[in-house]
Amino acid sequence: GIQVEQSPPDLILQEGANSTLRCNFSDSVNNLQWFHQNPWGQLINLFYIPSGTKQNGRLSATTVATERYSLLYISSSQTTDSGVYFCAVGPLLTQGGKLIFGQGTELSVKP
Amino acid sequence: DAGVIQSPRHEVTEMGQEVTLRCKPISGHNSLFWYRQTMMRGLELLIYFNNNVPIDDSGMPEDRFSAKMPNASFSTLKIQPSEPRDSAVYFCASSSTGIEQYFGPGTRLTVT
Repeated sequence: GIQVEQSPPDLILQEGANSTLRCNFSDSVNNLQWFHQNPWGQLINLFYIPSGTKQNGRLSATTVATERYSLLYISSSQTTDSGVYFCAVGPLLTQGGKLIFGQGTELSVKP
Repeated sequence: DAGVIQSPRHEVTEMGQEVTLRCKPISGHNSLFWYRQTMMRGLELLIYFNNNVPIDDSGMPEDRFSAKMPNASFSTLKIQPSEPRDSAVYFCASSSTGIEQYFGPGTRLTVT
């Protein structure tokens, strides 16, 4: 099955700093999403981005499908950005909405 | 919109007891997913439904687990009998496209 690897596993930032999170996947996909799990456990959908680039405020994401990776950029980080960021991918075969999650990057933003 | 609603938010039960987790998807969404999150295994898809029909239950760990979706606005995940290794956070998610998924707050299950 598809393997999803995220890096780094942990990241500590000072408030205001920028960061880049990476997601590598082992096979072609037609579905890639980034999620943020906040310290209270809520999973929030950030981006649906199987290819190309999207931006939403201080966050942006780029997926290069041909090279099987995606990047999540966080600019001017805030303490509220803390939590775990997950990349999830769905295979090309007719498996509907099945998503395979990476192990996540745990981000801690210090004031 | 109220988002995906799950109940209960926390459940503590003794080994051997039956546990029922409930989910109400976002109105108008026709796909529903049940996930389990543990420290050891991360987030795993257990089963998903499309138009109330189970499409893929290959992630259901064993026969002790069952899921139903009797109508478009309600689903249950049942564990009978429960075991300590079932302790986890169980998430329900829904989607209108089968692609972008929106998660509920989760149910934290502890089996003693």
